[in-house]
Amino acid sequence: AQSVTQLGSHVSVSEGALVLLRCNYSSSVPPYLFWYVQYPNQGLQLLLKYTTGATLVKGINGFEAEFKKSETSFHLTKPSAHMSDAAEYFCAPHYNFGNEKLTFGTGTRLTIIP
Amino acid sequence: GAVVSQHPSRVICKSGTSVKIECRSLDFQATTMFWYRQFPKQSLMLMATSNEGSKATYEQGVEKDKFLINHASLTLSTLTVTSAHPEDSSFYICSARTPGAYTFGSGTRLTVV
Repeated sequence: AQSVTQLGSHVSVSEGALVLLRCNYSSSVPPYLFWYVQYPNQGLQLLLKYTTGATLVKGINGFEAEFKKSETSFHLTKPSAHMSDAAEYFCAPHYNFGNEKLTFGTGTRLTIIP
Repeated sequence: GAVVSQHPSRVICKSGTSVKIECRSLDFQATTMFWYRQFPKQSLMLMATSNEGSKATYEQGVEKDKFLINHASLTLSTLTVTSAHPEDSSFYICSARTPGAYTFGSGTRLTVV
């Protein structure tokens, strides 16, 4: 089945350190790719997305992600973690085959250590 | 930007009763909306796709008679949890396709006692 894999259900980084959240997709045809963030008891907020064009995508809150077709990856990074970044992060592929459904990876819970 | 309003944010109901959750697109028309369920510390599970003016499309394993979806207008989709039981307690989130992305409601925490 076409899906994404998010390695590491929990990631902890120190405040000010690099954040790296991994996402790999499994498809011979690259999908559109989204990263969403979810704060406790809230809905999802779009961080960034890759559709076509530039492979390095910049999003909100200082996050960015690079689409690497050769590695089938779309890892999310942020140079310097902030306490407010503590949340759940979801990678989601969208395969534009006439199906509008959006399904999610298992999610990565990011904890920031003061 | 596109906003999806979901109500209520929290609801507690007695076992055996029904609960309705509303999802409204505030500044755009949504011919298709999606309903997700999220268990604690888990990812979102797509329950069904709601289509304006037609029947919803349910994912495998989701009980159609338990989770009734109505999409009567281009701005409103509702999910009714019928004859709720404690195992239906969960976080329910709706979503709508917007240009270039998907916009989500703020979610509804349902607790069945």
